[in-house]
Formats: sequence, structure tokens, C-alpha cells
Amino acid sequence: KQEVTQIPAALSVPEGENLVLNCSFTDSAIYNLQWFRQDPGKGLTSLLLIQSSQREQTSGRLNASLDKSSGRSTLYIAASQPGDSATYLCAVSPLYNFNKFYFGSGTKLNVKP
Amino acid sequence: EAEVAQSPRYKITEKSQAVAFWCDPISGHATLYWYRQILGQGPELLVQFQDESVVDDSQLPKDRFSAERLKGVDSTLKIQPAELGDSAMYLCASSKGQEVYEQYFGPGTRLTVT
Repeated sequence: KQEVTQIPAALSVPEGENLVLNCSFTDSAIYNLQWFRQDPGKGLTSLLLIQSSQREQTSGRLNASLDKSSGRSTLYIAASQPGDSATYLCAVSPLYNFNKFYFGSGTKLNVKP
Repeated sequence: EAEVAQSPRYKITEKSQAVAFWCDPISGHATLYWYRQILGQGPELLVQFQDESVVDDSQLPKDRFSAERLKGVDSTLKIQPAELGDSAMYLCASSKGQEVYEQYFGPGTRLTVT
């Protein structure tokens, strides 16, 4: 069974700082990896999806990279803002079942003004 | 922009009572998921539908939980009887179920069992 780990569990940074969130997975045979944002008490919002054939995806100030061989993905946030404060989760789908997703526990980010 | 709809948004119920949640996926999405999320953890899959068929319910506590998607569109998740440990966020998500397999989530239902 795929295990997904996100470190750190919580992170507090001053506004304007560039930061990196980490996601690791135990089985490198993945179909895709998806990063989500979750605000308190709300559902998940999709940020970026990386297919197994891709190395990275970018959207605005966000950049996600994927290294399947080492079982890692990183989410880079440039010039962080207080509005970026949320929990960030990653999820992977395995090659043997494209439609099933395994989630990490998330990194809770606090960006201080 | 199309969204996944869920209702109710909040539900408070007493233990041993029955409770039901409803989800309407994005139009045309064949795959529908129900997840349970305990505070501070990632979502855990309860049941996955492909059209009207269950393809994975291995983590669904079948003695008290049931789920249906009769016409392959909207879905209902039921708990009977509710227990204190069922207090959590219940999330519904949908996916086209082909090509990219990207998931889209609804706003969730926050359940509190007293």
C-alpha cells in the first residue's frame, strides 16, 4: 500500500519569504501526483497536477516538481503572502489504479504579515 | 465553473441517530468518491463509485455505513447508528475517470456526534 508523508507538519514564515513544502511516497510506480490547498473547515482546492511523465508544473507563484525515482515531490511557493496561509496536501495515484488516491496528512502553513 | 455540491454543510446529531449526506458531482464525471477526514489528517477513502457501481469500499464500516449512486449521478452516504467517533469532515470528490484523472472536491459536510 502506498504511504504518503508530508514534512514538516506545520510551518510559520514571514511574508515575502520563498518556501518549499515536501511530499514523499513509498512506491515510485505512480500515475500522477496532485497538490491541494485546504482552508480551515473547507473542502480541498486543486492547485497543480503532475503526470508521471512530467517533471514539474507551474501556476503563478507555485511550482511543483516530481522525482519518481526518489519518491519525492516539492511545492515551491514564491514571495509568500498571508493569503497563502492554509493546509497543503499532496495525493498520489498508483499505476495499478489510476483512479485511487492516497493522501498525506498535510503541511499547515502560516504566513505572518 | 462547474463545482461539486454537497449538503448539508454542517450536521449535529446525537449518537445512535441516523444521518445522511448528499453529493452532486460535476456533470459528466463518472467517478465519485466519499472521503472521511479527521482533524489534522489527510482524507481517507470510504467508497469509490464508477458510474453506479461500487469499485472500492474496503474502508467503509459496512455495519453502520452505506452509500449509493443509483442513477450514476448524485450520491448519498448514510450512517446508522452514528457513534461519537464518526465526528469528522465528510468530503465528496469527482473525476472524469479517464485521461488525466484529476479530482475535484466539494465543500464538505462537518459532522458532530454528541
